[in-house]
Amino acid sequence: QSALTQPASVSGSPGQSISISCTGTTSDVGGYSYVSWYQHHPGKAPKLMIYDVTKRPSGISNRFSGSKSGNTASLTISGLQAVDEADYYCCSYTSSNTNYVFGGGTKVTVL
Amino acid sequence: QVQLQESGPGLVRPSQTLSLTCTVSGDSITNGGYYWNWIRLHPEKGLQWIGYRYYSGSAYYDPSFGSRVTISLDTSKNQFSLTLTSVTAADTAVYFCARKAPVTSWFDPWGQGTLVTVSS
Repeated sequence: QSALTQPASVSGSPGQSISISCTGTTSDVGGYSYVSWYQHHPGKAPKLMIYDVTKRPSGISNRFSGSKSGNTASLTISGLQAVDEADYYCCSYTSSNTNYVFGGGTKVTVL
Repeated sequence: QVQLQESGPGLVRPSQTLSLTCTVSGDSITNGGYYWNWIRLHPEKGLQWIGYRYYSGSAYYDPSFGSRVTISLDTSKNQFSLTLTSVTAADTAVYFCARKAPVTSWFDPWGQGTLVTVSS
């Protein structure tokens, strides 16, 4: 059981927008602006897509955006492309002694 | 640019010790005040942060591992290592090493991961 809850899968057609939710508690997602998102193609290194809830690292497409409301953070992918098909994980700093908690991952499928 | 690469045995017997190494290229692990982390991916549970070793030597681990885990630095080889003792099947996972910059909350970059299976 992961500390943060993500849907197991999300799908969309090319060009569409999809959103992935990441639900935690006031001790993590809701309490801090320290949510990050990672894209993982199996067998490859996970890639930082969003940090501090809404910020994009240099080189990351502006088709990726992050937001947060209460205890739920979201990653939105607009203009969905075949290359976006991957697993996505959210992460949050937590005030518990675990320091960092992750979600269980969401498999994005481009139809 | 900094790159990380994990290495180590892919099969460990139950009750034995898991030992993995992360080789860092592109920068010295003693530069910049970075935190050097291990994170694992369970097949059904997602990612789990294991712990870090700070460049100056201090360490912090997820308490769920108790005294089983140690992360150490080898500055002469520009590597850091994970040791996990008394492993069980529940420790079967893909293990990643990753860097975290000071006063930040994200991990970047990561290694590509190495699968460790605990089985007799």
